Amino acid sequence: AQTVTQSQPEMSVQEAETVTLSCTYDTSESDYYLFWYKQPPSRQMILVIRQEAYKQQNATENRFSVNFQKAAKSFSLKISDSQLGDAAMYFCAYRSYKETSGSRLTFGEGTQLTVNP
Amino acid sequence: DGGITQSPKYLFRKEGQNVTLSCEQNLNHDAMYWYRQDPGQGLRLIYYSQIVNDFQKGDIAEGYSVSREKKESFPLTVTSAQKNPTAFYLCASSIGFRVTAVGEKLFFGSGTQLSVL
Repeated sequence: AQTVTQSQPEMSVQEAETVTLSCTYDTSESDYYLFWYKQPPSRQMILVIRQEAYKQQNATENRFSVNFQKAAKSFSLKISDSQLGDAAMYFCAYRSYKETSGSRLTFGEGTQLTVNP
Repeated sequence: DGGITQSPKYLFRKEGQNVTLSCEQNLNHDAMYWYRQDPGQGLRLIYYSQIVNDFQKGDIAEGYSVSREKKESFPLTVTSAQKNPTAFYLCASSIGFRVTAVGEKLFFGSGTQLSVL
């Protein structure tokens, strides 16, 4: 079974600065997807960024980018030019490439990000 | 607008009582999921359904039951056998369970907070 670990329960960053959230995972599969979800105080889950394991190029979405290290099984999220609206709980998630697993996600414990003005 | 509707937003359960959480989607998605969120533990999969009249247990199904009589609806019943039901419950859907396309993703509802009286 796959596991996802987020070792930073809380992080803080100054507005306009850059912050990196860590995520490691354990799997025996070679093909899979990785995701970062954001959960603001409204508790709505919002997809931030996704990465296919077979792609070497790191995914980027505006101010959000990932550092995907497949051999190390590491998938960190970098937020540049942090904004007050980035304050939220961030979850790292894993999805198997196997059809039998469908869209089942395995989530990490979450990192609470605070953005200080 | 298409989306997932969960109701009620807050729910209270008395000792020994069964309660049902509603989840309705108008996205024409085949697959639906129920996740439980506890503080510091991320999201865990309770049940999922690949298609109408079909459902499977997830990682923490004990004390819960579901039905999928209509494509749009996937209600979750928290039975009296669930001894620790206090949690935030999230419903999600995806286009198809066996779709592994890059663009396929989970859509989440806004959640139901269940508490024990």
